[in-house]
Amino acid sequence: DGGITQSPKYLFRKEGQNVTLSCEQNLNHDAMYWYRQDPGQGLRLIYYSQIVNDFQKGDIAEGYSVSREKKESFPLTVTSAQKNPTAFYLCASSIKTSGNANEQFFGPGTRLTVL
Amino acid sequence: RKEVEQDPGPFNVPEGATVAFNCTYSNSASQSFFWYRQDCRKEPKLLMSVYSSGNEDGRFTAQLNRASQYISLLIRDSKLSDSATYLCVVTRYSSASKIIFGSGTRLSIRP
Repeated sequence: DGGITQSPKYLFRKEGQNVTLSCEQNLNHDAMYWYRQDPGQGLRLIYYSQIVNDFQKGDIAEGYSVSREKKESFPLTVTSAQKNPTAFYLCASSIKTSGNANEQFFGPGTRLTVL
Repeated sequence: RKEVEQDPGPFNVPEGATVAFNCTYSNSASQSFFWYRQDCRKEPKLLMSVYSSGNEDGRFTAQLNRASQYISLLIRDSKLSDSATYLCVVTRYSSASKIIFGSGTRLSIRP
């Protein structure tokens, strides 16, 4: 079955640590995205990638980093510079980023808690 | 003012009722519109795209009003399983950074 997987489902981090969230898709989608969702709020875009080896900052990129070395994978690193990292992180993909092919499909999410 | 606004609700309606909610957007250059459903502590899932001519999928009807800059979602004969948060999404074709999610409308269907 095609889909998007994220791991881990739950992640606990001590202050000052960097952590990396995994996102893999086998939908053959060109575009991938990372969002953050806080309680009672909508999704906010952290980073997105339209193609391998290319990525762009979203609205709240500070304290995060990404890579896109393979089409299937778009890992997100939450660095110690992110001041309020506790949130629900969602990865998504779409065929492309524009036009009528930008319907997004989401992974199950990772809940990150900073202790 | 947020670029995409939704009534947060909660809407609490009896099973079998018809319920409708709107989502307003401020940028007239917006091109694509979607409704997503998100269950508690789960990922959003695409419910339906919203086309200019309006579209229907079973008990769900979505409409777009470009003149007044809003989209709507109508749910007929509501089921207990319809209880969720409904997110509207507005996009522009130019870049991925212009995909904007509303904060969501919570819907609770009571027996």
